[in-house]
Amino acid sequence: DTEVTQTPKHLVMGMTNKKSLKCEQHMGHRAMYWYKQKAKKPPELMFVYSYEKLSINESVPSRFSPECPNSSLLNLHLHALQPEDSALYLCASSQLDTANTGELFFGEGSRLTVL
Amino acid sequence: GQNIDQPTEMTATEGAIVQINCTYQTSGFNGLFWYQQHAGEAPTFLSYNVLDGLEEKGRFSSFLSRSKGYSYLLLKELQMKDSASYLCAVRPRGSQGNLIFGKGTKLSVKP
Repeated sequence: DTEVTQTPKHLVMGMTNKKSLKCEQHMGHRAMYWYKQKAKKPPELMFVYSYEKLSINESVPSRFSPECPNSSLLNLHLHALQPEDSALYLCASSQLDTANTGELFFGEGSRLTVL
Repeated sequence: GQNIDQPTEMTATEGAIVQINCTYQTSGFNGLFWYQQHAGEAPTFLSYNVLDGLEEKGRFSSFLSRSKGYSYLLLKELQMKDSASYLCAVRPRGSQGNLIFGKGTKLSVKP
């Protein structure tokens, strides 16, 4: 299994809603990532989890709250978002041992629209 | 800090060869990656360079010169399905595996 699975594929939410994005991988990868991608822009790093611990938070507003319940799952909890948060949210995973290239495997993304 | 530059758009003809350049300036370097991204889809891994030289993988090759902060992706025998954005990404030294992406080059392949 070389897939990273993200749900939901599409999400529309109001500014007062609370929702969650979910990501799952079964490749035994010990690093998982959230990236945000706006139209015609490159992916921008939000969070990194290494061995289920948050290792990087790229100064992301607190209305985005990541969670890594176990080594296969990564969630992104959303609350009180703004319309400018509308974007494609990409989850990725990678191996961390130096014997491998460590390329990121991306999920298909969750396209979020905030009204 | 990190700065990664690549052309915004390129056009090429089916069956031809195209070279997409990438220059980078980083405070530390631990590998350069090329990804392909079709519109509305996730990026997919194409190639990885950490030492100087050329890496070949089928119709795709990637080159790296660390002293010049320069890489290119070479696509041969272009096909219509190669129309996509090509993202150059750098893994900083000491990163937790995360990559810093360039703005991407949108390649259009014409018949």
